[in-house]
Amino acid sequence: KAGVTQTPRYLIKTRGQQVTLSCSPISGHRSVSWYQQTPGQGLQFLFEYFSETQRNKGNFPGRFSGRQFSNSRSEMNVSTLELGDSALYLCASSLDSGKLDEQYFGPGTRLTVT
Amino acid sequence: AQKVTQAQTEISVVEKEDVTLDCVYETRDTTYYLFWYKQPPSGELVFLIRRNSFDEQNEISGRYSWNFQKSTSSFNFTITASQVVDSAVYFCALRSVRDDKIIFGKGTRLHILP
Repeated sequence: KAGVTQTPRYLIKTRGQQVTLSCSPISGHRSVSWYQQTPGQGLQFLFEYFSETQRNKGNFPGRFSGRQFSNSRSEMNVSTLELGDSALYLCASSLDSGKLDEQYFGPGTRLTVT
Repeated sequence: AQKVTQAQTEISVVEKEDVTLDCVYETRDTTYYLFWYKQPPSGELVFLIRRNSFDEQNEISGRYSWNFQKSTSSFNFTITASQVVDSAVYFCALRSVRDDKIIFGKGTRLHILP
């Protein structure tokens, strides 16, 4: 079956703009988690959605938000982009919530903020 | 505060050599999970192993083995007879059951030279 897909794969935005990233989980998976990966801060957990509800959230400012639709697809939004938001954003899906060892990751969206 | 330290930022070994990746963690929680993930050049994180804080039994899986020692707060990962395909960035991670958040180490970039 198809893996986790993320769109777009690459994105260039200007400081102050907003951006929306999309993640389609593996069919049947109801949990979607988002992670940010940067050279300086490394890999950091953003949030997890399960059955359209945010279940858990990392330590990120309110500019970072997300949502999940009834088909489990998820979107992540970053408003008022800053240069430091340049990163690889990874999405992962799993059947149930909190199953980190059963997560399948997508290839990521590389966001560059200029 | 919770912390995961991977002191080795980059390691290079010649193919067929054994290599150990170090991971030291800090947590005040008594119940937690430890993970190892692999990130090949394609960018997708791949889950390798999970250990809970009550299970110090070390495991061997093919060419991979793990050494979990609570007394030294370490969770090391060894690849025996390394192969070029093992070249990747390896992440150690800690998740506390208390707040369900996951903390990643900065990763160790492993180069297996032919």
